[in-house]
Amino acid sequence: GAVVSQHPSRVICKSGTSVKIECRSLDFQATTMFWYRQFPKQSLMLMATSNEGSKATYEQGVEKDKFLINHASLTLSTLTVTSAHPEDSSFYICSARVHGQGPANYGYTFGSGTRLTVV
Amino acid sequence: AQSVTQPDIHITVSEGASLELRCNYSYGATPYLFWYVQSPGQGLQLLLKYFSGDTLVQGIKGFEAEFKRSQSSFNLRKPSVHWSDAAEYFCAVGAKNNDMRFGAGTRLTVKP
Repeated sequence: GAVVSQHPSRVICKSGTSVKIECRSLDFQATTMFWYRQFPKQSLMLMATSNEGSKATYEQGVEKDKFLINHASLTLSTLTVTSAHPEDSSFYICSARVHGQGPANYGYTFGSGTRLTVV
Repeated sequence: AQSVTQPDIHITVSEGASLELRCNYSYGATPYLFWYVQSPGQGLQLLLKYFSGDTLVQGIKGFEAEFKRSQSSFNLRKPSVHWSDAAEYFCAVGAKNNDMRFGAGTRLTVKP
């Protein structure tokens, strides 16, 4: 089945530095990827939608200059948290839309998530 | 835009008892509905999904869900819960060419 590989799974960084998270679609082409953020014991909140070769669409309240998304190829989307601060500590998950033959094969596949801790 | 409500934040059931997790959605057209499970610190695992057809959907790990259009609901059920089912459960609604929106989640605790 469609698999999305997300790395790193955990990262600890110092306040003020930048962190890049990668999501790769391993056996399919992901024209659209979604980035979610999840605070402890809360639901997944959509941050942005990235489309290959174009600018990402950010949800209201998400700082596009802080959370840089690049989707330069059909198999790779990256999220860079710039000038990270402790309040950016969270669980970040990417997702790709999977298109198959007919709606039964339509769905979303998720990466395993990245636990970011900013100290 | 689509939205999802999971009314129960936390549910505790005894091992072997039946389980029902509630999910209500809001969407103007026929939705695509999903149930995911998440163990602590882990990603999401798809339990089942509904697009059309038979309103009773069978999933993995013995779970099933029933789509009821009249009630805008997609409740998840399992006849006999196992201790390994303890996790966070998310209902989600998506639509073709749209993103997916998640409910707030229901945390399931299983008592021995």
